Amino acid sequence: QQPVQSPQAVILREGEDAVINCSSSKALYSVHWYRQKHGEAPVFLMILLKGGEQKGHEKISASFNEKKQQSSLYLTASQLSYSGTYFCGLLESGAGSYQLTFGKGTKLSVIP
Amino acid sequence: DSGVTQTPKHLITATGQRVTLRCSPRSGDLSVYWYQQSLDQGLQFLIQYYNGEERAKGNILERFSAQQFPDLHSELNLSSLELGDSALYFCASSPFVGQSNYGYTFGSGTRLTVV
Repeated sequence: QQPVQSPQAVILREGEDAVINCSSSKALYSVHWYRQKHGEAPVFLMILLKGGEQKGHEKISASFNEKKQQSSLYLTASQLSYSGTYFCGLLESGAGSYQLTFGKGTKLSVIP
Repeated sequence: DSGVTQTPKHLITATGQRVTLRCSPRSGDLSVYWYQQSLDQGLQFLIQYYNGEERAKGNILERFSAQQFPDLHSELNLSSLELGDSALYFCASSPFVGQSNYGYTFGSGTRLTVV
């Protein structure tokens, strides 16, 4: 089942913050976050494993609440280079789970 | 350069035809994944291979098939093509399969246009 991402799109001015949410109805083992710029391949940002950990990557960080089956991506002090579409990918818990299912994406536009 | 090589980059073909997309994974990666991305759509999982064996199948049409060879490169075969098959096809690779700590490395994709 495809994860639900929100919002679908967001426009920010440089320096503003944003939060992108990703939720699932199934128990999760891990959450991946990727960014895709127009016409390019998705680029891996980070992976969060169950256990409620939070990770950071420069000014981009994320959290994973396995009880709520939700993950959030936090972008602080946004830069023009942050523009792109952000995808969460979910790997379900359980033996034999191999399929990483992506949400439809959140289009982030950072303007001067 | 991500280390994942996809060829060709662009492909234009007629309805009813058959094409083969090729992917060489990043050095050391044993898993290969194929995804389809249509306009304004997310990444739809097609199929996954690990060290030559099929491990997971998503919404892959019966007209589509794939395989992973002993040298770990993979091919996605699309036959009896329809206009709706026009999309960007991505290959990705990772070191392991299933529940691991590694993200996927995507290739630059093959843009298929069916006319």
